[in-house]
Amino acid sequence: AQSVTQLDSQVPVFEEAPVELRCNYSSSVSVYLFWYVQYPNQGLQLLLKYLSGSTLVESINGFEAEFNKSQTSFHLRKPSVHISDTAEYFCAVSDVGSNYKLTFGKGTLLTVNP
Amino acid sequence: GAGVSQSPSNKVTEKGKDVELRCDPISGHTALYWYRQSLGQGLEFLIYFQGNSAPDKSGLPSDRFSAERTGGSVSTLTIQRTQQEDSAVYLCASSLGLAGADTQYFGPGTRLTVL
Repeated sequence: AQSVTQLDSQVPVFEEAPVELRCNYSSSVSVYLFWYVQYPNQGLQLLLKYLSGSTLVESINGFEAEFNKSQTSFHLRKPSVHISDTAEYFCAVSDVGSNYKLTFGKGTLLTVNP
Repeated sequence: GAGVSQSPSNKVTEKGKDVELRCDPISGHTALYWYRQSLGQGLEFLIYFQGNSAPDKSGLPSDRFSAERTGGSVSTLTIQRTQQEDSAVYLCASSLGLAGADTQYFGPGTRLTVL
């Protein structure tokens, strides 16, 4: 069985500050890793994903995440956040070779203040 | 093209009534998933379809929950004899269903409130 732990339920930061949203997972098999974002009153959108290859993956809006197999982590980072980054962020995993159903963490609410 | 659509967007029902939630996936997507998002439990997987078959129903919480998919397209999630703990946002997602972890595209959800 898989599990995903997002260590912080809420992260308040000031605009232009750096941010790290933490995600750890547990699985007995190899996994794919995802970050989804849910903006206020909107549906879930894929932010970035790790399937294989380079352990550092980037999104188009400046977020990046690094897969660390030894620490079973996939933390999300951004060097300088904007007000528009305010949203709930969900880390998720799926088993390689499975039907690719996603197991989600409970989410981290990122609030960017002016 | 159009994204995943779900109807109704909101549903209020009385305890004990049956409800049907509908999902229209992206055209050409063979894989379809139902998830549930609730305050206490976060996002939980319910069921997975590949075409019209459901090889993984492991997330359905009880036998009051069922789902079907017809024509490899529209899916309906049915909850019989609704209970207050069924109140949640029900999300549908679809993907190409090809080898590899292709992206799941989510619909806006149906907010179910059981009084």
